[in-house]
Amino acid sequence: AQKVTQAQTEISVVEKEDVTLDCVYETRDTTYYLFWYKQPPSGELVFLIRRNSFDEQNEISGRYSWNFQKSTSSFNFTITASQVVDSAVYFCALSVQGAQKLVFGQGTRLTINP
Amino acid sequence: EAGVAQSPRYKIIEKRQSVAFWCNPISGHATLYWYQQILGQGPKLLIQFQNNGVVDDSQLPKDRFSAERLKGVDSTLKIQPAKLEDSAVYLCASSGRDLRTVRGRNEQFFGPGTRLTVL
Repeated sequence: AQKVTQAQTEISVVEKEDVTLDCVYETRDTTYYLFWYKQPPSGELVFLIRRNSFDEQNEISGRYSWNFQKSTSSFNFTITASQVVDSAVYFCALSVQGAQKLVFGQGTRLTINP
Repeated sequence: EAGVAQSPRYKIIEKRQSVAFWCNPISGHATLYWYQQILGQGPKLLIQFQNNGVVDDSQLPKDRFSAERLKGVDSTLKIQPAKLEDSAVYLCASSGRDLRTVRGRNEQFFGPGTRLTVL
């Protein structure tokens, strides 16, 4: 069975601070995909990134970066120079080869204060 | 490009009543998913369709929940009769093969959800 753990329930920082959201996953499959989604107050889940298990390269997209480490089964998400618009609930998710369903973590509520 | 459409956005019913939700996926997406998101939790898959066939309904409470995707396009999810614990946001998502790439991409695109309150 697959499992995703986001140990941080809530994080609150002041604008312009850097913040890292942790994600730890469990799976016995060797081929799998990891995702991050953002859920703003409007409720719609917005896709941010997908990573497959064979690609451990870190990725940067503007102020967002992701650190994938198979050795620790982690896929952490960092926001640099946070902004108020980054306030949302962020979900880490996992799917395995042959089963497209997403297994989500509990989510981390991020609040960026002006 | 239009996203995943869902209706209604909000629904309030009393327990033991019936309710139905509708979802129209992104055009051309063969796979459609219904997720249940209880307040404070991550979404949980209820049912997955590939075209009009069910791929996974292992977590669907079949004694009260049903879903169909008759023509392989839009879908309805029904609860009959509703219980208090069914209060949640019901999210529909779709995914499809990106013909521009060698491999299929399995990003799921989500609709705005239907917030159900059972009193």
